[in-house]
Amino acid sequence: AQSVSQHNHHVILSEAASLELGCNYSYGGTVNLFWYVQYPGQHLQLLLKYFSGDPLVKGIKGFEAEFIKSKFSFNLRKPSVQWSDTAEYFCAVRNTGGFKTIFGAGTRLFVKA
Amino acid sequence: ETGVTQSPTHLIKTRGQQVTLRCSSQSGHNTVSWYQQALGQGPQFIFQYYREEENGRGNFPPRFSGLQFPNYSSELNVNALELDDSALYLCASSLAYSASYEQYFGPGTRLTVT
Repeated sequence: AQSVSQHNHHVILSEAASLELGCNYSYGGTVNLFWYVQYPGQHLQLLLKYFSGDPLVKGIKGFEAEFIKSKFSFNLRKPSVQWSDTAEYFCAVRNTGGFKTIFGAGTRLFVKA
Repeated sequence: ETGVTQSPTHLIKTRGQQVTLRCSSQSGHNTVSWYQQALGQGPQFIFQYYREEENGRGNFPPRFSGLQFPNYSSELNVNALELDDSALYLCASSLAYSASYEQYFGPGTRLTVT
């Protein structure tokens, strides 16, 4: 069965620190990969997605993620976080052409001003 | 462009009762998916509707059922409520077979079962 594992449940960083959130998935076929973010009091929204091509994907607000197929990983990165990045981040996977999106448990990021 | 809306915002029900949650899709979207998000967990896929038919289902029992209407609005029905059904229920709309396949999520309905 498909599953998504996010390595950290809670992360606390100071402003300007670099961020890397780990995500691993288990699925043998071709996948589409996503990172979603939920800011306090707001809807879940898409940060970035990988479908095919360049494994380094750039998203909104300076976020990027790298798909490493051999490691079944899709880690999220940002070189310098801001207080406004405080949110919960979800990694998700969908088998290509499928209907079911599997989410990880989420990582709560708190950025200290 | 109207976003995804859900109603009600909050709901309290008693074990054994039935509940109906509603979702209005983003304009132009023909697919809706429902998710259950328990506290401290990520959203879990319940089912998806496309053109008024269920075309995919997660590991949820038959007492979870849904409807999609010609205007692409949707309902999630849960019968015989159990305490473990307490969660945030999210709907997400998308445009089937689009290259981007982006799901747009609503704010959710918080269901408490006592």
